Amino acid sequence: SAVISQKPSRDICQRGTSLTIQCQVDSQVTMMFWYRQQPGQSLTLIATANQGSEATYESGFVIDKFPISRPNLTFSTLTVSNMSPEDSSIYLCSVRLTTQETQYFGPGTRLLVL
Amino acid sequence: KQEVTQIPAALSVPEGENLVLNCSFTDSAIYNLQWFRQDPGKGLTSLLLIQSSQREQTSGRLNASLDKSSGRSTLYIAASQPGDSTTYLCAAGSGYSTLTFGKGTMLLVSP
Repeated sequence: SAVISQKPSRDICQRGTSLTIQCQVDSQVTMMFWYRQQPGQSLTLIATANQGSEATYESGFVIDKFPISRPNLTFSTLTVSNMSPEDSSIYLCSVRLTTQETQYFGPGTRLLVL
Repeated sequence: KQEVTQIPAALSVPEGENLVLNCSFTDSAIYNLQWFRQDPGKGLTSLLLIQSSQREQTSGRLNASLDKSSGRSTLYIAASQPGDSTTYLCAAGSGYSTLTFGKGTMLLVSP
């Protein structure tokens, strides 16, 4: 299994500002993902964080709005840029181990944009 | 585009009752089907994973089945307990580790 931590756990931000969310894993993993869960909605994949190269974004998500870094095999950041109230969501980091199909999720970052 | 639907959206049962949660998906070409529980502030916890070649998986009081041809999966919980109260999420795995989630079923088990 994998233990994942996220910082911050929650935040309240003003519109127009940016927030960077950190994800740390206790072991080296090949695949890391970022999801968003808007109020009352299902989890939606934002992007796959690739180590040493640009993230792979899903339809509807762009790098300028959600820049992602992954400098090594245990750490990634997601930035929510130029925030608006519609960005109020829970943001979750997840990983998949090389030897397992199961995905493991971090505790999430609850973001409220005023 | 894969779509996942979970029924019911919410369920309330007395302790000790057996119950079934339903999940349906539109594209049967899935790689696997996973069930999670989502507890507030704790993220998602994987409960069961059924590979596309399997029909069911069991863990303790939980049993998950998969019928790819009909696009359905069920999660059976035996002898429910108050600690089972949470939101259950179903996710269809497709392609390269992509998961498509349903909106979840919120379960309340009353003592």
